[in-house]
Amino acid sequence: NFMLTQPHSVSESPGKTVTISCTRSSGYIASNYVHWYQQRPGSSPTTVIYEDNQRPSGVPDRFSGSIDSSSNSASLTISGLKTEDEADYYCQSYDNYYRVFGGGTKLTVL
Amino acid sequence: EVQLVQSGPEVKKPGESLTISCKASGYRFTSYWIGWVRQVPGQGLEWMGVINPTDSDTRYSPSFQGQVTVSADRSFSSASLQWSSLKASDTAMYYCARLMYFYGSVDYWGQGTLVTVSS
Repeated sequence: NFMLTQPHSVSESPGKTVTISCTRSSGYIASNYVHWYQQRPGSSPTTVIYEDNQRPSGVPDRFSGSIDSSSNSASLTISGLKTEDEADYYCQSYDNYYRVFGGGTKLTVL
Repeated sequence: EVQLVQSGPEVKKPGESLTISCKASGYRFTSYWIGWVRQVPGQGLEWMGVINPTDSDTRYSPSFQGQVTVSADRSFSSASLQWSSLKASDTAMYYCARLMYFYGSVDYWGQGTLVTVSS
């Protein structure tokens, strides 16, 4: 089994760009897709990136995902930050029937 | 329109049994796996298990194996999560979720069911 490690929190100003990392503890990050979910306070999660870098319809192109094999990590980048982006973000991947969420990152837009 | 509508909040005592449900609509129920996700108050998301509504093939995450039962009823397009004996540590929000495919991302989430277990 493996773990996905995310920073506990990040903060940035409106209009800026922020990147949230998700590091896989064992196994190769590129071997299994990584998905990203946004959860605003009091709401169900929603998907912002699936299959490493695909955006569902309705998700603005300010959201992008990538994989870095050298650091065995995935990243979610949000550009042109808006106050509405303030939320918790979770990465998720899988291996051998085992699905894992990262611990989540609280994004503060101040 | 795809919708996953979950049953309402529950307050139970330790040792009691409970089943919560997730009613799917707007798509062919047997075409997508359904999963259950736990979120303890103030904490992160945890996968509990997934089920294929076509044949009820169920896969549990190790932490939840033997602790809960996931089931599906094709005739009612509904999935369920069941406890036989609740513990205080089961207090959490529970989400059902539709998977794009077996290892796929969630594409639709239910609104969540809050379960409170307290004596």
